[in-house]
Amino acid sequence: GAVVSQHPSWVICKSGTSVKIECRSLDFQATTMFWYRQFPKQSLMLMATSNEGSKATYEQGVEKDKFLINHASLTLSTLTVTSAHPEDSSFYICSASERGFESPLHFGNGTRLTVT
Amino acid sequence: AQTVTQSQPEMSVQEAETVTLSCTYDTSESDYYLFWYKQPPSRQMILVIRQEAYKQQNATENRFSVNFQKAAKSFSLKISDSQLGDAAMYFCAYRSAGAQKLVFGQGTRLTINP
Repeated sequence: GAVVSQHPSWVICKSGTSVKIECRSLDFQATTMFWYRQFPKQSLMLMATSNEGSKATYEQGVEKDKFLINHASLTLSTLTVTSAHPEDSSFYICSASERGFESPLHFGNGTRLTVT
Repeated sequence: AQTVTQSQPEMSVQEAETVTLSCTYDTSESDYYLFWYKQPPSRQMILVIRQEAYKQQNATENRFSVNFQKAAKSFSLKISDSQLGDAAMYFCAYRSAGAQKLVFGQGTRLTINP
């Protein structure tokens, strides 16, 4: 089946630094990728939709300049948390879809970010 | 905007018994998809079952089945013969036809008692 690889699985960074999370589709081309954030014991909240070769579409309330998303190729999207603060600590999950609205979504295994 | 509501934060069931998880949603659309995802402690999201709104027949996947009531906007998940490996967070999700992003419910934590 289709595999989405997310890296790193966990990262600890100091407050004020930036951290990059990668989401790769390993055996299919992902025209669209989604970035979700999940707080402990809570649901997944969509942060942004990433389309290959174009600017990401951010959900209301998500800071575009803080959460930079790049989808430069059909197999890679990156989320960069800039000037991280402790409140950015969370679990970030990406999902990817092949071409077409009927295509299922495949999820990465998530990245746990801890900002100290 | 569409919303998904799971009113049961936690549920528990004895191993080998049947449990039903509730989900309701709000939409003005007539064509859409509904999903149940499982998130075990590993945090990996696993698709359990999918239902197309235009299909009247309830979806079934082995021990998992749904009760889809379109008029009532209800989409419950029934797990039969519960197994220890079914213990996880279960999320109900909605997707508009012609779109790919998912809207998730709050989740239900399912515990299986041996």
